[in-house]
Amino acid sequence: EDKVVQSPLSLVVHEGDTVTLNCSYEVTNFRSLLWYKQEKKAPTFLFMLTSSGIEKKSGRLSSILDKKELSSILNITATQTGDSAIYLCAVEGAQKLVFGQGTRLTINP
Amino acid sequence: EAEVAQSPRYKITEKSQAVAFWCDPISGHATLYWYRQILGQGPELLVQFQDESVVDDSQLPKDRFSAERLKGVDSTLKIQPAELGDSAMYLCASSPFSSEPYEQYFGPGTRLTVT
Repeated sequence: EDKVVQSPLSLVVHEGDTVTLNCSYEVTNFRSLLWYKQEKKAPTFLFMLTSSGIEKKSGRLSSILDKKELSSILNITATQTGDSAIYLCAVEGAQKLVFGQGTRLTINP
Repeated sequence: EAEVAQSPRYKITEKSQAVAFWCDPISGHATLYWYRQILGQGPELLVQFQDESVVDDSQLPKDRFSAERLKGVDSTLKIQPAELGDSAMYLCASSPFSSEPYEQYFGPGTRLTVT
């Protein structure tokens, strides 16, 4: 059965800190890995990763995929209170997205 | 900017009652998904449509849940009868194709509370 595990489940840091969120997966017929941000509503798309070792970057957020280790990390530098959210990792296999349980990130001022 | 529409946004119902949720995907998106997200967990796929056909409903509790997308555009998810454990956020998403790794666009969700 396809499985996606995120860690940590919860993280509390101070504004300005850098955080790293982890996602590991076991999926047959891997096609892509996606990161979403969820703030009390529907998930909003952040990144899609298909190739190993190529970093995707958007402002203070970046992500990279390691197909050998079956994992991905999401980095957020110089965190702001607006980064507080649940970050979801999802892996696409066999035309279906399997989500992890999410990491709840809280940024304290 | 095109968005996935869902209604209602919130629904409170008593157990054993019937409820229905509606989703209108982004225009031109052939693939539509219904997810259930229980508090503290990630979304779980209930059913996937490609146009009007069901591609995957392996996780849909078919004794009480049903979904349809009759004309291949908007879709309805129904629960009858609702149970306390059905309390969750029901998310609809759409994507242009199912044969390529495209990101899915999510609607605002329907938050269901069963009392």
